[in-house]
Order: sequence, then structure tokens, then C-alpha cells
Amino acid sequence: EAQVTQNPRYLITVTGKKLTVTCSQNMNHEYMSWYRQDPGLGLRQIYYSMNVEVTDKGDVPEGYKVSRKEKRNFPLILESPSPNQTSLYFCASSEGTSGNNEQFFGPGTRLTVL
Amino acid sequence: AQSVAQPEDQVNVAEGNPLTVKCTYSVSGNPYLFWYVQYPNRGLQFLLKYITGDNLVKGSYGFEAEFNKSQTSFHLKKPSALVSDSALYFCAVRDMGAGNNRKLIWGLGTSLAVNP
Repeated sequence: EAQVTQNPRYLITVTGKKLTVTCSQNMNHEYMSWYRQDPGLGLRQIYYSMNVEVTDKGDVPEGYKVSRKEKRNFPLILESPSPNQTSLYFCASSEGTSGNNEQFFGPGTRLTVL
Repeated sequence: AQSVAQPEDQVNVAEGNPLTVKCTYSVSGNPYLFWYVQYPNRGLQFLLKYITGDNLVKGSYGFEAEFNKSQTSFHLKKPSALVSDSALYFCAVRDMGAGNNRKLIWGLGTSLAVNP
């Protein structure tokens, strides 16, 4: 089954404790992206990746890091989480080099930073 | 600036009635438009898209959308609503100013409630 998986689905942590949210897709997609979803603000892109070893900032990259060492994986790293990073996070992927392909989303990771 | 607006936070409709979820956009050039649906505790799922061609686009679960260039709208429609259609609906347009980034500009979402 074609899918995007994220782990963990739920995480409660404390300020400053490094964490990683994993994302993996089995569709051989080139493009991957991380979003955060907050009430009243909609979805905002954090980082994206065009292909292996090619990553770039989205709209709200501060406090986050990503890596793309393999095509299927695109982990999101919070080196020192803060309460304002409490949010619902989604990983997404899409194929091709044009901008007209739909994105496939993971189930989401609900993060709470105390 | 490019933008997407979903003017209604919530839409209520009775089961069996037609539904419309509104979306208007502002982009430079020809828009790539998308609708996604988010069910509770789930990720977003693609419904349909307009890239070019016929203004009436048919998608998943019986949904369709009409691209109207003069009104810069892309309203989502379904002839007969089901209770199971109750979810959060997002309209999005590709950010044509983002270069190679496949970034979408998202509306804030419309919560659809279909009452039995």
C-alpha cells in the first residue's frame, strides 16, 4: 500500500530535550515536505526536499532541522524544543518535477512541549 | 501577494442535500488548484485538482469542483451529501513564486457538518 508513515503519532516532551520525528514514504517520491498545522494559521511549510541531499527552508524553519540521506526518509529534528513548537506536524511527499502532482500526507504527529 | 481564501469557517448541510464549500484565490499566472480533506485524527487526503482543461473537475468520493477564472474561484461541490462527508476541507494553490518548491498556499479550512 502506498503510504507516508510518521512516528511517533503523539509525543509529550519538555523544553530543551532533543527529539526526532521520522517520516518515510514507499512511493519513490522525489519531493518531501514538513508542515505544521495550528488553529487559525492553517498549514505552514517548515522545510522541503527536492531529492536526496537537497533540502531548503519553507516558511517557518526556525527551530527545526531536516535531513534527506535516503530518498524514502525525511526526519524532522527539534534540537531544543520550546513550547511554541507545540503543534500538529505533517509530512508529505509527491512525485515528479512539475508542480501539478498531488501531495500524499502522513497521519500526523501531535507534539506537546511543556 | 498570492493567497487562498475560504470564506466560511463552517458549513452545515442536511444529508442528501447538495453541498458547496467555497474557495477563492489570488495568484499570478495560471493557477494550479487543489482540494484536500482531513478527517478527524487523520492526515490530509487529496480530493481533486485543476491544472488545465475542462473547468469542471471530478474527484474522489463523488466530489467535483468548478474552476471559474473570471471570479477566481474553485468551489467544491457534491450533489448529495453524506454524513461521512463531515470533515475539514482545505483549498490550496501552488505558490507560483516559490521556484522549484512544490509549496502550496493553503486556505484555513472549512469544517463541513452533514446532519442526518
